[in-house]
Amino acid sequence: KAGVTQTPRYLIKTRGQQVTLSCSPISGHRSVSWYQQTPGQGLQFLFEYFSETQRNKGNFPGRFSGRQFSNSRSEMNVSTLELGDSALYLCASSLEAAGDTEAFFGQGTRLTVV
Amino acid sequence: AQSVTQPDIHITVSEGASLELRCNYSYGATPYLFWYVQSPGQGLQLLLKYFSGDTLVQGIKGFEAEFKRSQSSFNLRKPSVHWSDAAEYFCAVASNFGNEKLTFGTGTRLTIIP
Repeated sequence: KAGVTQTPRYLIKTRGQQVTLSCSPISGHRSVSWYQQTPGQGLQFLFEYFSETQRNKGNFPGRFSGRQFSNSRSEMNVSTLELGDSALYLCASSLEAAGDTEAFFGQGTRLTVV
Repeated sequence: AQSVTQPDIHITVSEGASLELRCNYSYGATPYLFWYVQSPGQGLQLLLKYFSGDTLVQGIKGFEAEFKRSQSSFNLRKPSVHWSDAAEYFCAVASNFGNEKLTFGTGTRLTIIP
């Protein structure tokens, strides 16, 4: 079966702009989590959605937001981009909670803010 | 709050040699523990996980890990590494309440020399 699909794979944006990243989970998976990966901070949890509801949120400013649709696809949005938002954004899907069952990761979206 | 420490930032081993990557966690109760591998430009792939039961768990690609509660450790081992094992390895922990959030260590980069 198809894996987790993230689009786009690469993105270049200018400081101050906003960006939307998309994640299509594995068919049947209802939980989608988002992580930010940077060389300095490593992998940090952004938020998790389950059945269109945000269940858990990491310590990121309100500029980072997300949503999940009825088909479990998820989007995350970053407004007023800063240089420090440059990172690899990873999406993971799982049947239930990522801690309960295996989380499958997508290849990520590489965001560069200039 | 849960946390994970991977004390080795970079490890170099010869092809065919044995490997042990260290992971220490901090969590009040029995955690869910994971090892993931990431190749350059790729997402994360689950190698193995520990939820309960036998403290020695077998994973894919010939990897195994041992949960030691007394030492709060979950070290990853492989008896004989292959050049294709060169990658970054992440240890992660989730609470046993089905927490949707994975907390990752900072990773260990593995280099294989011929």
